Amino acid sequence: NAGVTQTPKFQVLKTGQSMTLQCAQDMNHEYMSWYRQDPGMGLRLIHYSVGAGITDQGEVPNGYNVSRSTTEDFPLRLLSAAPSQTSVYFCASSSHRGSRYTFGSGTRLTVV
Amino acid sequence: TQLLEQSPQFLSIQEGENLTVYCNSSSVFSSLQWYRQEPGEGPVLLVTVVTGGEVKKLKRLTFQFGDARKDSSLHITAAQPGDTGLYLCAGDTQTGANNLFFGTGTRLTVIP
Repeated sequence: NAGVTQTPKFQVLKTGQSMTLQCAQDMNHEYMSWYRQDPGMGLRLIHYSVGAGITDQGEVPNGYNVSRSTTEDFPLRLLSAAPSQTSVYFCASSSHRGSRYTFGSGTRLTVV
Repeated sequence: TQLLEQSPQFLSIQEGENLTVYCNSSSVFSSLQWYRQEPGEGPVLLVTVVTGGEVKKLKRLTFQFGDARKDSSLHITAAQPGDTGLYLCAGDTQTGANNLFFGTGTRLTVIP
């Protein structure tokens, strides 16, 4: 089925470890975004991309890196995990600005 | 700073009751989207409103965009247990390169 695929679904990290959250979409969407969801905070934008080779920071970018080498993939890297990065992470894509966002099913990350 | 505030944050009602969820901001949006999110899944788009004063209906759900395009409401008639979920509004300010700003969310529980 077409959509946004996120892996892994669950992850536990120790403080200071690094890891990459994977996101892939097969809808040929130009826009891709990473959000984190915390209780009572809604979804907050971490980084986004408007096309291959183009990325920019969102509302809460510190501690995260992204790259967009292909239209399909948009990985999120945690450089040195901290307990404050414990959250549920969602990747989303859309064909253009203002159109519907299609979300992945999320990655639940716990940093101990 | 949260661009979009939703109220109430939590709502628990009996099956068959009516309810209204509000999404407010001091910013003007070019469009506003409503999503529903179920546990363990990403948000799924319900509707997009674009014109000030616009009203859209989706079965028992009625969405309204404020005249000034700063606020929106979601009204559910005769709520069903299947309506249970987290409802999120999201607005596009059309400033900057991106993006969609999400509200804080309303968690609705419909009791059979």
